[in-house]
Amino acid sequence: NAGVTQTPKFRILKIGQSMTLQCTQDMNHNYMYWYRQDPGMGLKLIYYSVGAGITDKGEVPNGYNVSRSTTEDFPLRLELAAPSQTSVYFCASMNGGERDYNEQFFGPGTRLTVL
Amino acid sequence: QQQVKQSPQSLIVQKGGIPIINCAYENTAFDYFPWYQQFPGKGPALLIAIRPDVSEKKEGRFTISFNKSAKQFSLHIMDSQPGDSATYFCAASVAGTASKLTFGTGTRLQVTL
Repeated sequence: NAGVTQTPKFRILKIGQSMTLQCTQDMNHNYMYWYRQDPGMGLKLIYYSVGAGITDKGEVPNGYNVSRSTTEDFPLRLELAAPSQTSVYFCASMNGGERDYNEQFFGPGTRLTVL
Repeated sequence: QQQVKQSPQSLIVQKGGIPIINCAYENTAFDYFPWYQQFPGKGPALLIAIRPDVSEKKEGRFTISFNKSAKQFSLHIMDSQPGDSATYFCAASVAGTASKLTFGTGTRLQVTL
């Protein structure tokens, strides 16, 4: 199993450009998450999904959009990039259920710089 | 609004020492407290986790101590090794909320020879 894969690894965007961060998992996990990590700030939840066709906002959703058309894929869309979106983005997945005490598996991250 | 406060921000210990990282939370609804370990250039990975029905959990050299009344929990690394040098994050979640994690700000640990 490859686990959680993210592409690209690095990207530089100009202000106002758009891009999609790709995330794929091959563990058949129903729950998926997007986090951003800024220095000294920990990880903040952007969006999450508990299954195909179901998405919801996290703590910092402004400026981002997501979709979940399949169990495996959970892309994150930036429509109008801003310098404040410079960050490292992590996708995670989990075999979620009623008890919700399972491990979240993280991808390797995408480092995005907006200039 | 930071719901999980983590300290210290950074820590340097000698090989064999016992680094201790502390976290405090505000939301009494939290009922799952994992610790994640992150190496440079990698994503976080689950290290150990605890629920509030126990006061301590040990896995190998890693121990979580939990104090429900004080709303605090801590990570202890016994006989620390240079390979333990990483950033450690505490986190918390509430059952039934899709396991959304609230993370602390992280502690960068360096274990020297």
